[in-house]
Amino acid sequence: DTEVTQTPKHLVMGMTNKKSLKCEQHMGHRAMYWYKQKAKKPPELMFVYSYEKLSINESVPSRFSPECPNSSLLNLHLHALQPEDSALYLCASSQDRLSTDTQYFGPGTRLTVL
Amino acid sequence: AQKVTQAQTEISVVEKEDVTLDCVYETRDTTYYLFWYKQPPSGELVFLIRRNSFDEQNEISGRYSWNFQKSTSSFNFTITASQVVDSAVYFCALSDSGNTPLVFGKGTRLSVIA
Repeated sequence: DTEVTQTPKHLVMGMTNKKSLKCEQHMGHRAMYWYKQKAKKPPELMFVYSYEKLSINESVPSRFSPECPNSSLLNLHLHALQPEDSALYLCASSQDRLSTDTQYFGPGTRLTVL
Repeated sequence: AQKVTQAQTEISVVEKEDVTLDCVYETRDTTYYLFWYKQPPSGELVFLIRRNSFDEQNEISGRYSWNFQKSTSSFNFTITASQVVDSAVYFCALSDSGNTPLVFGKGTRLSVIA
């Protein structure tokens, strides 16, 4: 089973709202990732968690706050977003944070910021 | 520095035609890994293949085949007898041995017309 699940599938929020994106995997993977993808562009890495610790933050604005409560769950807390943050947010996981390991992606959350 | 180039932005073919998607990569490492992902309109990135730099054997999986040539730094993807369900954006990606983030090409949008 190579399934990564994400909720919600769609999210519309105002610039003053606080919301969270959720990601879950049950493959026993120890690395989890958040990507942001704008239309007609490749995914851009935002954060990497390895063994539940944040190992990479690609200079993401503080209005995005990741959290890894346990090895199966990854959250992305959103606060005071801007319209330009509207995008597809993809979660991925891999066995470990090694270049040999394949990243498996979830279906994404389509976020619209009004 | 790592780089992946997918020169074909969009390709349109008629169903049952064969189509090849090009991928050219750059890396200074001798150990690296190449990937292909498919992203249908639903948004999820679907893993197709991983190849390491020491394995130059071509691979075939059903209608899909991959041609890896280190001499030209290319990892091309061919779909034989294309079907409408193959319509998607296809990304080639590269990861080296230094645990650096996955580097994606810009993607090729394939449209298969019935």
